[in-house]
This record gives sequence, structure tokens and C-alpha cells, in this order.
Amino acid sequence: AQSVAQPEDQVNVAEGNPLTVKCTYSVSGNPYLFWYVQYPNRGLQFLLKYITGDNLVKGSYGFEAEFNKSQTSFHLKKPSALVSDSALYFCAVRFDNDMRFGAGTRLTVKP
Amino acid sequence: DAMVIQNPRYQVTQFGKPVTLSCSQTLNHNVMYWYQQKSSQAPKLLFHYYDKDFNNEADTPDNFQSRRPNTSFCFLDIRSPGLGDAAMYLCATSRATTETYEQYFGPGTRLTVT
Repeated sequence: AQSVAQPEDQVNVAEGNPLTVKCTYSVSGNPYLFWYVQYPNRGLQFLLKYITGDNLVKGSYGFEAEFNKSQTSFHLKKPSALVSDSALYFCAVRFDNDMRFGAGTRLTVKP
Repeated sequence: DAMVIQNPRYQVTQFGKPVTLSCSQTLNHNVMYWYQQKSSQAPKLLFHYYDKDFNNEADTPDNFQSRRPNTSFCFLDIRSPGLGDAAMYLCATSRATTETYEQYFGPGTRLTVT
């Protein structure tokens, strides 16, 4: 079965420091992986996706994600965190007609 | 800007009183989805339309129905809301059901059941 896991419920970083939000996947066949961000009382916003090609995927708002096939991971990263990056982040995998989401990681960036 | 619009943003209904949530899109996408999200949990797919074809998830209660009168609009009808149906309802669209396409989400409707 296609699934993703986000091992951390909460990630805290200081503004200006690099951030990583972790995601691992379990997929049969080619993995089609996505990251979304959700701000309070808002819908999910698409950040980036991995379909094929370069393992380092660049997305919106300075975020990037590294696809690692040997570790079955797709971690979200940003070199320098902003307070405005504080939000709920979801990793997801497409499976048939469904977007299967991880449980979410709440990122808090402190000034 | 092309977008997914949901109305209303906040909806209060009484226990057992039917309610309809609406979604419209200017992206001209074939597929429209309805998700239920509770308390910052992962969104749960209720059903989706691929063009006019309706696809219900196996565990979606019969209390939830949907209509898609045209490409741009999709409605979620809750026939007899219970307290457990209080949640954020998210509409999303996609160019197709192909796995490589991302979904675009509306801002959501927060439903309160009193």
C-alpha cells in the first residue's frame, strides 16, 4: 500500500537557522511525492513534488526537498527559516485518485 | 488569478439540519475532490468527480452527497449533520487523476454543528 510517514509531530527552529521536516515513504512502483503547507484556517498550498529526475526538487517560498531512494525519504528543507514559515506541513503520495497524506508536522520558527 | 473558491468560509448549522457547501474553480480542471479535515489531522478524501463521473470512497457515510452541475462548480450536501461532522471541509481540483498531477485546494469551509 502507498503511504507516507512523518515521524515528528512538532519541529522547532530559530529564525535564520536551516530547517528540515522529515518524511518517509512506502510505495510500490514509482513514487510520486508531494509537500503541502497549511496555515491556520486555510486550505493546503502546494509546495513541490517529485516525479522523476533530479533528487533535489526546488519549490515555492525557498523550500526544497531531497528524494533519497535508498532511505525511502523525501525530507523538506529550507536553508534559512522565517517566522512566517510557521505552519502545518503535510507530505503526501498520490495513489490512484487519492492524495494520501502523512499525519502532518507542525513547524514553529521562533524569532 | 486562477483559483479554487469555497463558500461560505464558516458555516453553522443545527444538528440534523441539511447543509450545502459550495466550491467553484477557474482552473478548468477535470477533477474535483472533497476532503474532510478534523483538528489539524490529515485530510480524508470523501469523494471526487472525474468530469461527470462520481467516485465515492468506500468509507464515506451515506449522509454525505455531492453534485457537480458543470465543470466549474461542485457541492457537498450533508443531509443530516451530526456533532461528529463538525470539521473543515476542503475542496480540491486536479488536471486529471494521473498520479503526477498535484491537487490545488480551496481555503476550506469550517462547519460547526450545534
